[in-house]
Amino acid sequence: DAGVTQSPTHLIKTRGQQVTLRCSPKSGHDTVSWYQQALGQGPQFIFQYYEEEERQRGNFPDRFSGHQFPNYSSELNVNALLLGDSALYLCASSLVWRGEKLFFGSGTQLSVL
Amino acid sequence: DQQVKQNSPSLSVQEGRISILNCDYTNSMFDYFLWYKKYPAEGPTFLISISSIKDKNEDGRFTVFLNKSAKHLSLHIVPSQPGDSAVYFCAAIRGTQGGSEKLVFGKGTKLTVNP
Repeated sequence: DAGVTQSPTHLIKTRGQQVTLRCSPKSGHDTVSWYQQALGQGPQFIFQYYEEEERQRGNFPDRFSGHQFPNYSSELNVNALLLGDSALYLCASSLVWRGEKLFFGSGTQLSVL
Repeated sequence: DQQVKQNSPSLSVQEGRISILNCDYTNSMFDYFLWYKKYPAEGPTFLISISSIKDKNEDGRFTVFLNKSAKHLSLHIVPSQPGDSAVYFCAAIRGTQGGSEKLVFGKGTKLTVNP
């Protein structure tokens, strides 16, 4: 049973560019959450998707957007990249109605130069 | 505004001894708390949780204690093993008993268990 898979594992971009990160949830899960973990910090909630809609959002600007597809996979898009966007981006999946504990992927390490 | 605080960035213990990791929170609306463990190059994995209606929860070598009046929780690992060496994150949820809602994480404590 595949867990949460994220791609790519590493990415280097320059300021002002746009980036798309991808996530496939654990089999059977229908909810995807995205977290940003800056160096030396704990993960910070970006947003959560359920039934292809953004269900909750953390304190992140509109440059951060997402999408969930009918197969429950998800994308995180970041526009107009800033140096401060450099971080590990973690995707987590769960089965929302059972209050499943979050299952995290290994993350995408984004470096903005 | 750090709502979940882990004030010890690192902790080193000997194999076989007890490891105690501490976590404080400021938001009294939090009603469910979780500990996640993270190895390098891997995502966090769920370890143990506790509801605010309890003051203790055990799972094998891992026990979490909650002191609501002090807004403090701790994770005890007994006995500690070298494989427990990882970063431990304390996390909290507001207003739900589940684990799939928005988690608020602390900065983590890096535990090193020496053989």
